[in-house]
Amino acid sequence: GDQVEQSPSALSLHEGTGSALRCNFTTTMRAVQWFQQNSRGSLINLFYLASGTKENGRLKSTFNSKESYSTLHIRDAQLEDSGTYFCAAESGGSNAKLTFGKGTKLSVKS
Amino acid sequence: EAAVTQSPRNKVAVTGGKVTLSCNQTNNHNNMYWYRQDTGHGLRLIHYSYGAGSTEKGDIPDGYKASRPSQENFSLILELATPSQTSVYFCASGDIGGANEQYFGPGTRLTVL
Repeated sequence: GDQVEQSPSALSLHEGTGSALRCNFTTTMRAVQWFQQNSRGSLINLFYLASGTKENGRLKSTFNSKESYSTLHIRDAQLEDSGTYFCAAESGGSNAKLTFGKGTKLSVKS
Repeated sequence: EAAVTQSPRNKVAVTGGKVTLSCNQTNNHNNMYWYRQDTGHGLRLIHYSYGAGSTEKGDIPDGYKASRPSQENFSLILELATPSQTSVYFCASGDIGGANEQYFGPGTRLTVL
């Protein structure tokens, strides 16, 4: 099975509301990254976490390596938040390979 | 913030032809990576490199070669392109030790006819 399971696969929000995206890992991961893929296809770095919680504006992310999950919370959603959100987990070792989830497609509507 | 560029941004190739995708990074990162993105699969790792002269197989290396002639440059080579290699290819760079955050280029859309 997949090492990184991302949910939900799709999400629709009205402007001003919020929700949480989640990634579960089937093996122990050293760190996690969250990306937004915009309409042009570019991958925008949102967070890198080796543990704990980080916050940036309306976004907050948590990584719990012991319980093998990470979350991305979006609050006060705006139209520009639309896109596909990916988590990617870093396994141990010197190569620091990333294993990606399949993404959450977020649509924010007015 | 790391700057990663890719060329070409779009490419149409014929089956059986040779394709080279190029990546350049200006942040002096040791590690570089090539991924492909297909609908329903997210991004998957093809090849990676620890530094100039090194290349390693990722999770889906079949049909691809890689070359790392310098710290800044990392190429992905399709010797005999096939339609199944039609995809969007992303290059990334990162460094081990401390925060190994990976930074991605804008992607190359490859169509093999």
